[in-house]
Amino acid sequence: QVQLQESGPGLVKPSQTLSLTCTVSGGSISSGSYYWSWIRQPAGKGLEWIGRIYTSGSTNYNPSLKSRVTISVDTSKNQFSLKLSSVTAADTAVYYCAREQWLVRFDPWGQGTLVTVSS
Amino acid sequence: QSALTQPASVSGSPGQSITISCTGTSSDVGGYNYVSWYQQHPGKAPKLMIYDVSNRPSGVSNRFSGSKSGNTASLTISGLQAEDEADYYCSSYTSSSTMFGGGTKLTVL
Repeated sequence: QVQLQESGPGLVKPSQTLSLTCTVSGGSISSGSYYWSWIRQPAGKGLEWIGRIYTSGSTNYNPSLKSRVTISVDTSKNQFSLKLSSVTAADTAVYYCAREQWLVRFDPWGQGTLVTVSS
Repeated sequence: QSALTQPASVSGSPGQSITISCTGTSSDVGGYNYVSWYQQHPGKAPKLMIYDVSNRPSGVSNRFSGSKSGNTASLTISGLQAEDEADYYCSSYTSSSTMFGGGTKLTVL
């Protein structure tokens, strides 16, 4: 049974770069036809899709975040990562990683990690 | 891209049925059969309940069903139970991107 776990700093200063890693266990990130996605949720608000990566390295990003987002994959470590640059308080949220089986079928999800942007 | 439109809240009594709508455009909900629904309890990660408009993952109760007409998708929960009280989100594919609805809080009276 595949499980995902997010990790990274819980506090990031404004204007800096947020960096998170999602570790996949219970299966190879390279097996099967899956995308690997990042999704975030500000406190008390709805979900926002950030972007996805295929194990070939091809990516799709939310147009509203595209200029600041980079998603990469490290198949040797069974991990994929998120970098979000020039962060502001508006980027404070719980960040989830998820496996996407074909399109918008996100399952499973990681437990989520809270990232706060504050000086 | 704007979020898909969901009612902010719905409610129902145990045993009743409720329907949550998710309205988009011909560029997202209406243009693809890639609509999914997620259930989220407080402090928990979302859980996939419906994918590809009307398919249920293994382990999800058959009380949950999905459908689509034009630019609007719907999630119906029949035989409402207390444990169904949660937030529900729809999601749709759109031109290499993905959109979520604003979420609907379901209250079981």
